[in-house]
Amino acid sequence: QVQLVQSGAEVKKPGASVKVSCEASGYTFTNFYLHWVRQAPGQGLEWMGMINPSDSNTRYAQKFQGRVTVTRDTSTSTVYMELSSLRSDDTAVYYCARSKPWYHYMDVWGKGTTVTVSS
Amino acid sequence: DIQMTQSPSSLSASVGDRVTITCRASQGIINYLAWYQHKPGKVPKLLISGASTLQSGVPSRFSGSGSGTDFTLTISSLQPEDVATYYCQKYNSAPRFGQGTKVEIK
Repeated sequence: QVQLVQSGAEVKKPGASVKVSCEASGYTFTNFYLHWVRQAPGQGLEWMGMINPSDSNTRYAQKFQGRVTVTRDTSTSTVYMELSSLRSDDTAVYYCARSKPWYHYMDVWGKGTTVTVSS
Repeated sequence: DIQMTQSPSSLSASVGDRVTITCRASQGIINYLAWYQHKPGKVPKLLISGASTLQSGVPSRFSGSGSGTDFTLTISSLQPEDVATYYCQKYNSAPRFGQGTKVEIK
């Protein structure tokens, strides 16, 4: 079945970087976009960025421009999200999610990865 | 950037009540609008795409309507399992979520 399996929880210090992975299975990896969405404690869902795995083109939310990098490895059907210069307000659950090309509603979600930023 | 504004931010209703959540886009988005249900500790679930197309397996008490800038999610008869936060999301160009509407049982 279609699955997105994310890497495990991370604890980082302020100023550090974190890299979260999302391994896709059960479908053709290059046929769907992959997105990163986060939810900070007590807050709503926030879209961070997306990648087209077929050509690695990316688009990021303005808020995260310069601080987030999304990459992919087609040999392992895995997408990565790296967030740098971490602050305490980056503490959140980070989700990867799949969408069709052009129609970016997200029909399959990973279980989420908790990232805690604390000194 | 197109902003998405949901109202109300929270509501409390009785089992069996009809519940309506509104989502307004700051510019027209045709029908590029999705609705999600998010329960605590769970993964967001896609309910509706294209403003009104119910996803497979979603109960028929859920419905969506609207186009342009104004959209509505309706639960025709609220059930205890519908307690969740509901989000709209526009998906023309860069995705963006509304701030969410928390639905509780009175």
